[in-house]
Amino acid sequence: DGGITQSPKYLFRKEGQNVTLSCEQNLNHDAMYWYRQDPGQGLRLIYYSQIVNDFQKGDIAEGYSVSREKKESFPLTVTSAQKNPTAFYLCASSMGVGTGPSYEQYFGPGTRLTVT
Amino acid sequence: AQSVTQLGSHVSVSEGALVLLRCNYSSSVPPYLFWYVQYPNQGLQLLLKYTTGATLVKGINGFEAEFKKSETSFHLTKPSAHMSDAAEYFCAVSYNQAGTALIFGKGTTLSVSS
Repeated sequence: DGGITQSPKYLFRKEGQNVTLSCEQNLNHDAMYWYRQDPGQGLRLIYYSQIVNDFQKGDIAEGYSVSREKKESFPLTVTSAQKNPTAFYLCASSMGVGTGPSYEQYFGPGTRLTVT
Repeated sequence: AQSVTQLGSHVSVSEGALVLLRCNYSSSVPPYLFWYVQYPNQGLQLLLKYTTGATLVKGINGFEAEFKKSETSFHLTKPSAHMSDAAEYFCAVSYNQAGTALIFGKGTTLSVSS
């Protein structure tokens, strides 16, 4: 079955540690995205990538970093510079970025990160 | 700045009642419109989308939405609520511009009581 996998489902870290969240897709999609979800704030875009070895900052990129070395993988690192990292993180993919009606986004199951 | 507004962060209905979740967007350019549903601790699932053509769009689980350009709205409805419809619903828009991602509303939590 095609889809998006995120691991782990739950992640716990101590403050000051960097942590990397995994996102893999086998949909052959070009574009991938990372969102942060907090209660009452909807989804906020962290980073997105339209093609391998290229990515753009979203609305809340500070304290995060990404890489796109393979088409199917888009890992997100939450660095110690992120002031409030505890949140639900969602990865998504689409055929492209915003240039056609078929470019709806498909979402993974999410990773809930808790930093204490 | 382009934006999406979902009126009402919480909506409560009785089982069997009409469900109406409101979504308005801000743009003079017709967008592509989407509704997603999220169950607790899960990712988002596409309910329906409007691209071009018929303005009344039917989706999964008995939901439908109507694009009204004059009102810049894309409200989501379902004639009869089920307990299983309790979830969070997100409206999103895409403005067909290269390099732009979806813009999401803040979400509406639907509660269904028996």
